[in-house]
Amino acid sequence: DGGITQSPKYLFRKEGQNVTLSCEQNLNHDAMYWYRQDPGQGLRLIYYSQIVNDFQKGDIAEGYSVSREKKESFPLTVTSAQKNPTAFYLCAASGGEAQNIQYFGAGTRLSVL
Amino acid sequence: QKEVEQDPGPLSVPEGAIVSLNCTYSNSAFQYFMWYRQYSRKGPELLMYTYSSGNKEDGRFTAQVDKSSKYISLFIRDSQPSDSATYLCAMSEGTGRRALTFGSGTRLQVQP
Repeated sequence: DGGITQSPKYLFRKEGQNVTLSCEQNLNHDAMYWYRQDPGQGLRLIYYSQIVNDFQKGDIAEGYSVSREKKESFPLTVTSAQKNPTAFYLCAASGGEAQNIQYFGAGTRLSVL
Repeated sequence: QKEVEQDPGPLSVPEGAIVSLNCTYSNSAFQYFMWYRQYSRKGPELLMYTYSSGNKEDGRFTAQVDKSSKYISLFIRDSQPSDSATYLCAMSEGTGRRALTFGSGTRLQVQP
């Protein structure tokens, strides 16, 4: 998984609950990303961060929040405002000489109880 | 119309066949082109990376980019059952946020 660790592998959310997905990287990359993958729709960008203490909304940020307090960590919170959270969530990082190449973690599968 | 179009398949071929996977795109500013392979319930892994137009070969894999036609291809020679996976094309303008735009993926099944 290229030095990117996502946890947990599976997560279940109850109605009205916020849940947080963890993403840690040991690649020393500056940029980190969160994507959502639904069947037949490819990957859609939720949030990205190019540097510590800074992040930007992606294409589908509503109902999600992030923080980037450390270079190694970029947690994603799925809030109760996200009405359709069931999906496969992927974290990625890029940096170094080939800054356009993103390396992915193994993903977290979130389901609603 | 999506910015990147990719036939979802599934594409089923016999072992040893040559596989051709393709994507078309509409944004002429894309400069960086990637192919990722994703096994079921796993994260995508980078297969090939090319900049601008041209060909790139790595073992059984060849990536082609035709910017004039806005068309990219991935060829797999001597396909193996272990190549059975979903293949995602991705592209980037290479400026600003550096985020990738993905195709929806093509599911490939190589029959033994």
